[in-house]
Amino acid sequence: AQSVTQPDIHITVSEGASLELRCNYSYGATPYLFWYVQSPGQGLQLLLKYFSGDTLVQGIKGFEAEFKRSQSSFNLRKPSVHWSDAAEYFCAVGDNFNKFYFGSGTKLNVKP
Amino acid sequence: DVKVTQSSRYLVKRTGEKVFLECVQDMDHENMFWYRQDPGLGLRLIYFSYDVKMKEKGDIPEGYSVSREKKERFSLILESASTNQTSMYLCASVRSSATGELFFGEGSRLTVL
Repeated sequence: AQSVTQPDIHITVSEGASLELRCNYSYGATPYLFWYVQSPGQGLQLLLKYFSGDTLVQGIKGFEAEFKRSQSSFNLRKPSVHWSDAAEYFCAVGDNFNKFYFGSGTKLNVKP
Repeated sequence: DVKVTQSSRYLVKRTGEKVFLECVQDMDHENMFWYRQDPGLGLRLIYFSYDVKMKEKGDIPEGYSVSREKKERFSLILESASTNQTSMYLCASVRSSATGELFFGEGSRLTVL
């Protein structure tokens, strides 16, 4: 069965530090991969997506993610975190049947 | 600007009441979804619809029903609300997962007393 694992429930980083949020998935075919961000009280906003091609994808707000098929991972990175990046981040997998599977989310706190 | 609009941001209802959560999208998307979001559980799919009057159960359909009479509108119905349905409800739409991503509404936070 398809599944998405985000092993880190909470992460705290200092402003200006680098960030990596982990995501592992279980899916039999080539996945469609997404990272979403949710600010408090808001819906989810797409940060970036991977469908095919270059395994390093760039997104909005300076985020990037790398698809590693051998590790079934799609980790999200940012070289320098800003206080406004504090939010909850969700990794998701989409299949060919209009089904999307979400991880349980990682809450990011940013220390001044 | 593309949009998914959920009519109610915050609702407070009593146990046993019937609750309607409405969602409208302006992107002409075929597929629409209702998710429930609870802390530590991520997003869980309640129902989705791939066409007008068509619906399929998601992972947690018990206690919920849906209605899709028009392409742009997808309603979630709680026939008899219970306290364990207190949650954040998110509506989303997509043309298809092969070509696009889910677009989300801002969410409806429901409290059942």
